[in-house]
Amino acid sequence: GAVVSQHPSRVICKSGTSVKIECRSLDFQATTMFWYRQFPKQSLMLMATSNEGSKATYEQGVEKDKFLINHASLTLSTLTVTSAHPEDSSFYICSARSRGAGSPLHFGNGTRLTVT
Amino acid sequence: GIQVEQSPPDLILQEGANSTLRCNFSDSVNNLQWFHQNPWGQLINLFYIPSGTKQNGRLSATTVATERYSLLYISSSQTTDSGVYFCAVQKNSGNTPLVFGKGTRLSVIA
Repeated sequence: GAVVSQHPSRVICKSGTSVKIECRSLDFQATTMFWYRQFPKQSLMLMATSNEGSKATYEQGVEKDKFLINHASLTLSTLTVTSAHPEDSSFYICSARSRGAGSPLHFGNGTRLTVT
Repeated sequence: GIQVEQSPPDLILQEGANSTLRCNFSDSVNNLQWFHQNPWGQLINLFYIPSGTKQNGRLSATTVATERYSLLYISSSQTTDSGVYFCAVQKNSGNTPLVFGKGTRLSVIA
């Protein structure tokens, strides 16, 4: 069964609003979670690494003020897309390892964001 | 950073046919995973295979780490096998992210 739960699965919002996406680890603690973004017919690109109790690490070209990441507990990381614009429309997927370093990375089911 | 190349980019198969998907990577890796992304976007873990050979039903995978490639074999393909297959690698040890290839888009037709 799924070890990483992501919510919501789909969201449509108006330009200028903010959207929060939740990623939960089920039955395990995740000090680190990874957020990816996937545009249509493209591959998954790492956006940021979410670290429990400390600031997230963002990949080059990803605006940290636009994509706010909060990893306030060992089982929950949130990604907030602030002041969303149509170009932020994408598929966002989180991931975590249930057994720490050296084990497979498990992915949530993703969130399809459409900004109108 | 590490480069991950997958081939072919697109593949069309008749139902029942076999296929081999390839993943080349530019540096040594600690971890390699194969995924199937279904039409709804879900990423399904197929194999965690940093080296060696594994089989799961009609699917099998082989990674030759010293030569920096991995192969995914699909036998007796079914229409439900359609989707995108991704290879992803982890270069460093520790709890570090995966780097994805661009995928192979597979269409199995009846």
